[in-house]
Amino acid sequence: ELKVEQNPLFLSMQEGKNYTIYCNYSTTSDRLYWYRQDPGKSLESLFVLLSNGAVKQEGRLMASLDTKARLSTLHITAAVHDLSATYFCAVEETSGSRLTFGEGTQLTVNP
Amino acid sequence: KAGVTQTPRYLIKTRGQQVTLSCSPISGHRSVSWYQQTPGQGLQFLFEYFSETQRNKGNFPGRFSGRQFSNSRSEMNVSTLELGDSALYLCASSLDPTYNEQFFGPGTRLTVL
Repeated sequence: ELKVEQNPLFLSMQEGKNYTIYCNYSTTSDRLYWYRQDPGKSLESLFVLLSNGAVKQEGRLMASLDTKARLSTLHITAAVHDLSATYFCAVEETSGSRLTFGEGTQLTVNP
Repeated sequence: KAGVTQTPRYLIKTRGQQVTLSCSPISGHRSVSWYQQTPGQGLQFLFEYFSETQRNKGNFPGRFSGRQFSNSRSEMNVSTLELGDSALYLCASSLDPTYNEQFFGPGTRLTVL
């Protein structure tokens, strides 16, 4: 059974600081997603990582995937308040379609 | 291009009742998956449909069922509702099941009293 673990689960940071969220998963997969969720809202797709060594950047967020280590990271650079949300990683099983989600990281960026 | 739509957005039911939720995928998408989100269990896969066939099912009791129509629209049904069924139910669509990005709808918030 595929397991996905995120850490930290809660992250409170000051504006302007950098931090990294980690996502570990237990079985082979080369397709990983990062989503953002605002309170009471649905999931917004941030990144799709398709292969080992994939790195994608959008604004202050950068995601990477190491399939050998079964690890993905979401790096936040110079955080701003608008980044406050819950971030989920999700791993797609090699048979396709079914996503297994991490527990989510609740990020709060304080002024 | 319109996104995934789900109806209704909010629903209040009482224990023992049944409920049907609807999902219309993005035009051209033929695969629909359903997920349940609760504070305690997080996001959990319910089932996936493609070409009117259930391809995959998560670890949920038989009270949870679904179907897909020829136009790719999908419904899920929960019978004999329990308090623990209160959740946000999210539908996601993709082009087909083979390794395609899933796009999520706004969800249906179900409250069971």
